[in-house]
Amino acid sequence: GEDVEQSLFLSVREGDSSVINCTYTDSSSTYLYWYKQEPGAGLQLLTYIFSNMDMKQDQRLTVLLNKKDKHLSLRIADTQTGDSAIYFCAESCGSARQLTFGSGTQLTVLP
Amino acid sequence: NAGVTQTPKFRVLKTGQSMTLLCAQDMNHEYMYWYRQDPGMGLRLIHYSVGEGTTAKGEVPDGYNVSRLKKQNFLLGLESAAPSQTSVYFCASMGTGWRETQYFGPGTRLLVL
Repeated sequence: GEDVEQSLFLSVREGDSSVINCTYTDSSSTYLYWYKQEPGAGLQLLTYIFSNMDMKQDQRLTVLLNKKDKHLSLRIADTQTGDSAIYFCAESCGSARQLTFGSGTQLTVLP
Repeated sequence: NAGVTQTPKFRVLKTGQSMTLLCAQDMNHEYMYWYRQDPGMGLRLIHYSVGEGTTAKGEVPDGYNVSRLKKQNFLLGLESAAPSQTSVYFCASMGTGWRETQYFGPGTRLLVL
């Protein structure tokens, strides 16, 4: 079955760049997503990339996709304390484009 | 538009009790989903629906039932709650266009004692 893996924790200094990595297994995934979850809150869609793209940039966010290695990354430039949250990678596949999520990466931004 | 709403926001049950979680969306979406989130884990798909009157099992369907009698509503039922069903439940909906993404509700926190 599908499996999405992420490292559990990442700490960065305010102003530095953050890179969150994700690997997935289903090569038929059509879209790959990054969601942000703040404590006690729901999921906020940050960005997504179609499987035929290599890179997508959206303001401070850059998504890189390496289909050969099934590796996805999210780079946050100029990381701020408000970026502290859990970040989930998810792949979309199946007839209803169901999502399979990674376990999430807790990003801590230190002042 | 309210988007995706979930009722209730929080509930405490005793083992063996039953309850129904309600998800409603006002975006005329065909697809609806129920996920659960446990500590240290991502969301896992319980059941989903591709349209009114249809339901299908996801990754972790045991102990749950669902119904989609109206297009805008997707109900998740627990017939006999167990402590292992203590979790945060998220509902999501999505249109059928190829660029569509899933919109999530705010979640329902369920504690089973």
